[in-house]
Amino acid sequence: AQRVTQPEKLLSVFKGAPVELKCNYSYSGSPELFWYVQYSRQRLQLLLRHISRESIKGFTADLNKGETSFHLKKPFAQEEDSAMYYCALSGSGFQKLVFGTGTRLLVSP
Amino acid sequence: NAGVTQTPKFQVLKTGQSMTLQCAQDMNHNSMYWYRQDPGMGLRLIYYSASEGTTDKGEVPNGYNVSRLNKREFSLRLESAAPSQTSVYFCASIVTESNYGYTFGSGTRLTVV
Repeated sequence: AQRVTQPEKLLSVFKGAPVELKCNYSYSGSPELFWYVQYSRQRLQLLLRHISRESIKGFTADLNKGETSFHLKKPFAQEEDSAMYYCALSGSGFQKLVFGTGTRLLVSP
Repeated sequence: NAGVTQTPKFQVLKTGQSMTLQCAQDMNHNSMYWYRQDPGMGLRLIYYSASEGTTDKGEVPNGYNVSRLNKREFSLRLESAAPSQTSVYFCASIVTESNYGYTFGSGTRLTVV
């Protein structure tokens, strides 16, 4: 069964501090992992895909198959990063995403 | 190019009333989805449509029905609304078997009293 776990409901940091939002997954095959972000009262937006190995808005995420993790990191948090972050997984082929419960990131000045 | 459009944005229903949430996409995507978003539970898949003419149940389909009217439109119907269906509903679409991620609509905030 596919499952995504985000252990932190809320992560509160000060501006300029490093941020790591944790995501662990359970999947028997080769997963595709994503991070989505939802700013206040807005639609979800794709932030990162593991296959592209890109950095968006200073965020990066590395897929660790040994630890079945896909943690989202940013070295210096900004106030505009405050949002809800969802980790999501799909199997190969047809894209039916399974989402984690989300982590709210609050960056204080 | 509007992406994914959902209507209405807000709705209040009385228990037992019915309504249909509309979703349309103009990106020529094959696959469409309905999710509900609840505090502490993330997004849960209600129904999806892999392609025009097909629909399948997701994780939480009870109390809902869907129609894939054509390639652009995928509606979600509540036949007899219950307070447990108070939620924010998101529609999403994607090119089937791509890895570019979903495009989401702006959501419908539904309250059942």
